[in-house]
Amino acid sequence: GENVEQHPSTLSVQEGDSAVIKCTYSDSASNYFPWYKQELGKGPQLIIDIRSNVGEKKDQRIAVTLNKTAKHFSLHITETQPEDSAVYFCAPTGTASKLTFGTGTRLQVTL
Amino acid sequence: NAGVTQTPKFQVLKTGQSMTLQCAQDMNHEYMSWYRQDPGMGLRLIHYSVGAGITDQGEVPNGYNVSRSTTEDFPLRLLSAAPSQTSVYFCASSYSDWYNEQFFGPGTRLTVL
Repeated sequence: GENVEQHPSTLSVQEGDSAVIKCTYSDSASNYFPWYKQELGKGPQLIIDIRSNVGEKKDQRIAVTLNKTAKHFSLHITETQPEDSAVYFCAPTGTASKLTFGTGTRLQVTL
Repeated sequence: NAGVTQTPKFQVLKTGQSMTLQCAQDMNHEYMSWYRQDPGMGLRLIHYSVGAGITDQGEVPNGYNVSRSTTEDFPLRLLSAAPSQTSVYFCASSYSDWYNEQFFGPGTRLTVL
């Protein structure tokens, strides 16, 4: 099965700073790379995703970059705001058609 | 649309008891799945379904049963609860396949004493 690692496990940034979370995976057949955000007491929610034929995707303050050769992809959040505080999960998906989630990164944005 | 709904929100069981966690979606999604979330371990797939009448095992299926008699509902049954099943359970659905957005329910927090 897919081995997924996320780094860092916790991240504290000041409001307005940038945050970067990295996800490494083992299955070279993975071709779909989503990031989910989970707020306290809620289920995860998709915030951005990318497919293997694209190297980068941006949506306002959020971007995802993919390096298939090195088998990692990263979530970039610019101009962080307090409402960005949450746990973020990557979930690289391959031909097995089953989401394998990383262990999560707790992001705290301080004022 | 209500999206994905789960009941109950909280449940306490004694070891050996059985129960069913309910999950329903009103988005006409073909794909549904159950995950459990434990501290420091992310979400792990228990069972999933690609359509009514079709189910398959995920990463941690032992101790759980599922069925999918309709497109809308995907209940998860705990046959004989054990303390190791204390967790938060999430149901999710997706429109067409795994390469699309998974919509998650609000979760059920289960404690087994």
